[in-house]
Amino acid sequence: SYVLTQPPSVSVAPGKTARITCGGNNIGSKSVHWYQHKSGQAPVLVIYYDGDRPSGIPERLSGSKSGNTATLTISRVEAGDEADYYCQVWDTSSDPYTVFGGGTQLTVL
Amino acid sequence: QMQLVESGGGVVQPGRSLRLSCAASGFTFRSHAMQWVRQAPGKGLEWVALISYDGSIKYYADSVKGRFTISRDSSKNTVYLEMNSLRAEDTAVYYCARGPPLGAVDYWGQGTLVTVSS
Repeated sequence: SYVLTQPPSVSVAPGKTARITCGGNNIGSKSVHWYQHKSGQAPVLVIYYDGDRPSGIPERLSGSKSGNTATLTISRVEAGDEADYYCQVWDTSSDPYTVFGGGTQLTVL
Repeated sequence: QMQLVESGGGVVQPGRSLRLSCAASGFTFRSHAMQWVRQAPGKGLEWVALISYDGSIKYYADSVKGRFTISRDSSKNTVYLEMNSLRAEDTAVYYCARGPPLGAVDYWGQGTLVTVSS
């Protein structure tokens, strides 16, 4: 089955830039979606189809892809950005199914 | 506003069954595919199942295939997850979610906790 690999944790000081990576075989051919998940709350979609932002998501959050890696970039990090972040793709090699990365815990120092 | 409200979670013994429900409001339910995603304690998100907008197509994760059944009742704006032959590893918070095949989940419920334990 398809595997997405994320770093378990990323730490960044307020006001700096955080980059959370998501690696997968041939990920360049797949659409990547990103979610923010704060403890005790419902997950929130922050980036869809690689780099589009839903309404209400600040421009500080952006998505990109290069080679076998997708990246969620959070600029001018704020304390409120502290959360777990998950990437997601669909695999259609057989019956379609979707896979989440293992998640990255973002800590704001 | 849009709402997805899960119910039906609880403590159940291994091998038994449980049915989760998700009541949707604030959008045209019959126009949207619906999904279930779970999160085991201390673990990440794991997709469980998807049902198309009209109920004609269903997809399942290998880990639940043959044990879980997703269904929907558009007259009640509700999606269900029937879980049979439950195992300890099915213990998780189960989230109801809205999203199409191959697309993103654009709205999630708050989740309901299922604990499988003797």
